[in-house]
Amino acid sequence: GESVGLHLPTLSVQEGDNSIINCAYSNSASDYFIWYKQESGKGPQFIIDIRSNMDKRQGQRVTVLLNKTVKHLSLQIAATQPGDSAVYFCAEENDYKLSFGAGTTVTVRA
Amino acid sequence: DGGITQSPKYLFRKEGQNVTLSCEQNLNHDAMYWYRQDPGQGLRLIYYSQIVNDFQKGDIAEGYSVSREKKESFPLTVTSAQKNPTAFYLCASSIQADSPLHFGNGTRLTVT
Repeated sequence: GESVGLHLPTLSVQEGDNSIINCAYSNSASDYFIWYKQESGKGPQFIIDIRSNMDKRQGQRVTVLLNKTVKHLSLQIAATQPGDSAVYFCAEENDYKLSFGAGTTVTVRA
Repeated sequence: DGGITQSPKYLFRKEGQNVTLSCEQNLNHDAMYWYRQDPGQGLRLIYYSQIVNDFQKGDIAEGYSVSREKKESFPLTVTSAQKNPTAFYLCASSIQADSPLHFGNGTRLTVT
C-alpha cells in the first residue's frame, strides 16, 4: 500500500509500505531541486536531486517526480524502513541559493 | 575523511555577548553557506560565500556577520544586535552553485 502526504507536515507510514512526500515550490524559474533527509540533532543529508529538464529520477529505493506545470515535487520511498524516520525537506535553487520548504516529518510504524 | 566540521555542538551565551560559530571544510569546495533552523521550521539562509574574500547576505543577515579569509573556513558571528539568536545553526558547502549542499552537524546556540 501507499501512504500519501499532500503538503502535510507529518506522515505516518507502516513499515514495508511505500511513502510519498509532496512539496510545492514557489518560483517557476527554478531549475534545480533537491530532497534532503534530516535526523534529530544532525545536519540534512542529500537524498536525490533533479533538474528542470527531467520529470523523473530514480535512486536506490527513492524516486523524485517533478511537475513543472503545477510547480510540484514529490519524493517516493519504496518499502519504507524504520531508518527512514526523519524530517524530509525539498529545496529549490534560485539565483545560486537554495530555499527550503518547512519539511515533512515521517514516522515509520512497526 | 572529507567533510564539514562545526564546533562546538552546543553553545551557551548570555544576552548582549557576541559569539562566533566555527565551520571548517576539507572538501575543497568553493561555496559555503550558513543557515538557521528554528523548531519545526525549514532552513533560512543567513550568509553565503561563493569564493574566498567574497560573501553575500542571505534572507536573514541582520545581526550576523561572516568572514571568508580562507577557502576551508567560514566563521559566523552572532552579534548582540540579533534579536532572537537562540537557534540551530547549520553550515554547508558545495563544489559550485548549482550542486548539492553538504551540511555539517550543526551548532545549537542558546542565549539567555
